[in-house]
Amino acid sequence: DAGVTQSPTHLIKTRGQQVTLRCSPISGHKSVSWYQQVLGQGPQFIFQYYEKEERGRGNFPDRFSARQFPNYSSELNVNALLLGDSALYLCASSWGSRGNYGYTFGSGTRLTVV
Amino acid sequence: TQLLEQSPQFLSIQEGENLTVYCNSSSVFSSLQWYRQEPGEGPVLLVTVVTGGEVKKLKRLTFQFGDARKDSSLHITAAQPGDTGLYLCAGDREKLTFGTGTRLTIIP
Repeated sequence: DAGVTQSPTHLIKTRGQQVTLRCSPISGHKSVSWYQQVLGQGPQFIFQYYEKEERGRGNFPDRFSARQFPNYSSELNVNALLLGDSALYLCASSWGSRGNYGYTFGSGTRLTVV
Repeated sequence: TQLLEQSPQFLSIQEGENLTVYCNSSSVFSSLQWYRQEPGEGPVLLVTVVTGGEVKKLKRLTFQFGDARKDSSLHITAAQPGDTGLYLCAGDREKLTFGTGTRLTIIP
Protein backbone atom coordinates (compact mmCIF):
# COMPACT_ATOMS: atom_id res chain seq x y z
CA ASP A 1 0.00 0.00 0.00
CA ALA A 2 1.21 3.49 -0.83
CA GLY A 3 1.87 5.77 2.08
CA VAL A 4 1.01 9.44 2.22
CA THR A 5 2.26 11.05 -0.97
CA GLN A 6 3.06 14.72 -1.35
CA SER A 7 3.92 16.75 -4.42
CA PRO A 8 6.06 18.43 -5.39
CA THR A 9 9.01 17.34 -3.25
CA HIS A 10 10.87 20.61 -3.69
CA LEU A 11 9.76 24.04 -4.82
CA ILE A 12 11.39 27.44 -5.22
CA LYS A 13 9.16 30.50 -5.39
CA THR A 14 9.65 34.25 -5.39
CA ARG A 15 8.25 36.57 -2.74
CA GLY A 16 4.66 37.56 -3.53
CA GLN A 17 3.92 34.48 -5.58
CA GLN A 18 1.32 31.86 -4.79
CA VAL A 19 1.92 28.13 -4.26
CA THR A 20 -0.24 25.01 -4.17
CA LEU A 21 0.93 21.87 -2.41
CA ARG A 22 -0.81 18.52 -2.84
CA CYS A 23 -1.32 15.51 -0.61
CA SER A 24 -2.83 12.06 -1.13
CA PRO A 25 -3.66 10.21 2.09
CA ILE A 26 -3.36 6.52 2.75
CA SER A 27 -6.25 4.61 1.19
CA GLY A 28 -9.13 4.50 3.68
CA HIS A 29 -7.93 7.49 5.69
CA LYS A 30 -10.48 10.27 5.77
CA SER A 31 -8.54 12.91 7.70
CA VAL A 32 -5.72 15.06 6.35
CA SER A 33 -3.69 17.53 8.37
CA TRP A 34 -1.09 20.05 7.25
CA TYR A 35 1.97 21.14 9.23
CA GLN A 36 4.78 23.63 8.71
CA GLN A 37 8.22 22.70 9.99
CA VAL A 38 10.86 25.37 10.09
CA LEU A 39 14.45 24.16 10.32
CA GLY A 40 15.36 23.15 13.85
CA GLN A 41 11.81 23.17 15.19
CA GLY A 42 8.94 20.73 15.60
CA PRO A 43 6.07 20.80 13.10
CA GLN A 44 3.40 23.46 13.64
CA PHE A 45 -0.25 22.65 12.96
CA ILE A 46 -1.86 24.55 10.08
CA PHE A 47 -5.14 22.79 9.17
CA GLN A 48 -7.07 19.58 9.64
CA TYR A 49 -9.78 18.35 7.29
CA TYR A 50 -12.08 15.40 7.93
CA GLU A 51 -14.73 14.26 5.49
CA LYS A 52 -14.08 17.39 3.41
CA GLU A 53 -14.84 19.74 6.29
CA GLU A 54 -12.34 21.91 8.15
CA ARG A 55 -11.98 20.54 11.67
CA GLY A 56 -9.18 22.71 12.95
CA ARG A 57 -7.04 25.70 12.09
CA GLY A 58 -3.74 26.71 13.61
CA ASN A 59 -2.35 30.16 14.21
CA PHE A 60 -1.53 31.02 10.61
CA PRO A 61 -2.57 34.08 8.58
CA ASP A 62 -5.41 34.05 6.06
CA ARG A 63 -2.83 33.74 3.28
CA PHE A 64 -2.92 30.03 4.10
CA SER A 65 -5.94 28.07 2.91
CA ALA A 66 -6.71 24.44 2.22
CA ARG A 67 -9.39 22.13 0.97
CA GLN A 68 -10.15 18.42 0.83
CA PHE A 69 -11.61 16.71 -2.19
CA PRO A 70 -14.21 13.90 -2.40
CA ASN A 71 -11.39 11.36 -2.79
CA TYR A 72 -9.91 12.73 0.48
CA SER A 73 -6.85 14.20 -1.18
CA SER A 74 -6.00 17.73 -0.14
CA GLU A 75 -4.38 20.93 -1.31
CA LEU A 76 -2.67 23.62 0.73
CA ASN A 77 -2.51 27.08 -0.85
CA VAL A 78 -0.30 29.91 0.30
CA ASN A 79 -0.75 33.37 -1.23
CA ALA A 80 1.57 36.37 -1.22
CA LEU A 81 4.59 34.30 -0.18
CA LEU A 82 7.03 35.74 2.34
CA LEU A 83 10.61 34.71 2.98
CA GLY A 84 9.45 33.36 6.34
CA ASP A 85 7.19 30.85 4.60
CA SER A 86 10.29 28.86 3.64
CA ALA A 87 9.88 25.54 5.40
CA LEU A 88 9.12 21.84 5.08
CA TYR A 89 5.37 21.41 4.64
CA LEU A 90 4.13 18.09 5.92
CA CYS A 91 0.86 16.32 5.29
CA ALA A 92 -0.44 13.65 7.65
CA SER A 93 -3.39 11.32 7.31
CA SER A 94 -5.38 9.35 9.85
CA TRP A 95 -8.40 7.09 9.78
CA GLY A 96 -10.61 9.18 12.03
CA SER A 97 -10.85 12.81 13.03
CA ARG A 98 -8.95 12.10 16.23
CA GLY A 99 -5.43 10.80 16.27
CA ASN A 100 -5.60 8.17 18.97
CA TYR A 101 -4.12 5.68 16.51
CA GLY A 102 -1.44 8.08 15.37
CA TYR A 103 -0.85 9.91 12.16
CA THR A 104 1.08 8.85 9.06
CA PHE A 105 3.19 11.59 7.57
CA GLY A 106 4.38 12.12 4.04
CA SER A 107 7.96 13.06 3.26
CA GLY A 108 6.97 16.69 2.84
CA THR A 109 7.39 19.49 0.34
CA ARG A 110 10.46 21.65 0.83
CA LEU A 111 9.41 25.22 -0.07
CA THR A 112 12.06 27.86 -0.53
CA VAL A 113 10.97 31.47 -0.99
CA VAL A 114 13.61 33.79 -2.45
CA THR B 1 2.96 29.32 22.52
CA GLN B 2 4.79 26.00 22.85
CA LEU B 3 2.65 23.67 24.93
CA LEU B 4 5.09 20.76 24.99
CA GLU B 5 8.66 21.17 26.21
CA GLN B 6 11.18 18.42 25.55
CA SER B 7 14.46 17.91 27.35
CA PRO B 8 17.21 17.67 26.62
CA GLN B 9 17.19 19.57 23.33
CA PHE B 10 20.40 17.87 22.19
CA LEU B 11 21.94 14.63 23.42
CA SER B 12 25.10 12.92 22.24
CA ILE B 13 26.08 9.63 23.88
CA GLN B 14 28.23 6.59 23.26
CA GLU B 15 26.84 3.40 21.78
CA GLY B 16 25.62 1.05 24.51
CA GLU B 17 24.62 3.74 26.98
CA ASN B 18 21.08 4.33 28.25
CA LEU B 19 19.16 7.59 27.93
CA THR B 20 15.85 9.20 28.79
CA VAL B 21 14.04 11.99 26.95
CA TYR B 22 11.32 13.95 28.70
CA CYS B 23 8.21 15.65 27.34
CA ASN B 24 6.38 17.99 29.70
CA SER B 25 3.27 20.12 29.48
CA SER B 26 0.80 21.96 31.70
CA SER B 27 -2.03 20.74 29.44
CA VAL B 28 -3.90 17.43 29.52
CA PHE B 29 -3.92 15.44 26.30
CA SER B 30 -6.26 12.68 25.14
CA SER B 31 -3.23 10.83 23.79
CA LEU B 32 0.46 11.39 23.43
CA GLN B 33 2.53 10.19 20.52
CA TRP B 34 6.24 9.81 19.92
CA TYR B 35 7.77 10.20 16.49
CA ARG B 36 11.25 9.90 15.04
CA GLN B 37 12.27 12.05 12.12
CA GLU B 38 15.23 11.60 9.78
CA PRO B 39 16.66 14.51 7.76
CA GLY B 40 14.51 15.30 4.71
CA GLU B 41 11.73 12.95 5.78
CA GLY B 42 8.46 13.24 7.62
CA PRO B 43 8.07 12.08 11.23
CA VAL B 44 7.47 8.35 11.68
CA LEU B 45 5.13 7.24 14.45
CA LEU B 46 6.80 5.12 17.14
CA VAL B 47 4.01 4.77 19.69
CA THR B 48 0.73 6.21 20.92
CA VAL B 49 -0.13 6.20 24.63
CA VAL B 50 -3.67 6.93 25.72
CA THR B 51 -4.16 5.93 29.36
CA GLY B 52 -2.57 7.79 32.27
CA GLY B 53 0.28 5.72 33.70
CA GLU B 54 0.48 3.57 30.58
CA VAL B 55 3.83 2.00 29.72
CA LYS B 56 4.62 0.65 26.27
CA LYS B 57 7.75 -1.13 25.11
CA LEU B 58 9.09 -1.26 21.59
CA LYS B 59 12.21 -3.45 21.63
CA ARG B 60 14.82 -1.29 23.45
CA LEU B 61 12.49 1.72 23.72
CA THR B 62 10.17 2.22 26.70
CA PHE B 63 7.49 4.90 26.64
CA GLN B 64 5.54 6.10 29.66
CA PHE B 65 2.52 8.41 29.87
CA GLY B 66 2.21 10.39 33.08
CA ASP B 67 -0.63 9.61 35.46
CA ALA B 68 -2.20 13.01 34.82
CA ARG B 69 -1.74 12.66 31.02
CA LYS B 70 0.37 15.83 30.89
CA ASP B 71 3.84 14.40 30.43
CA SER B 72 5.70 11.48 28.96
CA SER B 73 9.14 9.93 28.81
CA LEU B 74 11.09 7.87 26.32
CA HIS B 75 13.83 5.60 27.63
CA ILE B 76 16.29 3.89 25.31
CA THR B 77 18.38 1.00 26.58
CA ALA B 78 21.75 0.17 25.06
CA ALA B 79 21.57 2.88 22.41
CA GLN B 80 22.75 2.03 18.91
CA PRO B 81 23.88 4.30 16.04
CA GLY B 82 20.61 3.50 14.25
CA ASP B 83 18.76 5.30 17.05
CA THR B 84 20.21 8.61 15.86
CA GLY B 85 17.53 11.10 14.84
CA LEU B 86 15.13 13.81 15.93
CA TYR B 87 12.64 12.55 18.52
CA LEU B 88 9.37 14.43 18.76
CA CYS B 89 6.57 14.05 21.25
CA ALA B 90 3.12 15.22 20.19
CA GLY B 91 0.01 15.71 22.26
CA ASP B 92 -3.42 15.23 20.78
CA ARG B 93 -6.23 17.39 22.14
CA GLU B 94 -8.22 19.18 19.47
CA LYS B 95 -5.16 19.18 17.26
CA LEU B 96 -1.77 17.53 17.28
CA THR B 97 0.77 19.74 19.03
CA PHE B 98 4.42 18.83 18.67
CA GLY B 99 7.13 19.31 21.23
CA THR B 100 10.34 21.20 20.72
CA GLY B 101 12.23 18.03 19.75
CA THR B 102 15.30 16.17 21.01
CA ARG B 103 18.13 15.65 18.57
CA LEU B 104 19.85 12.41 19.54
CA THR B 105 23.26 11.34 18.25
CA ILE B 106 24.70 7.94 19.10
CA ILE B 107 28.44 7.75 18.68
CA PRO B 108 29.79 4.34 17.57
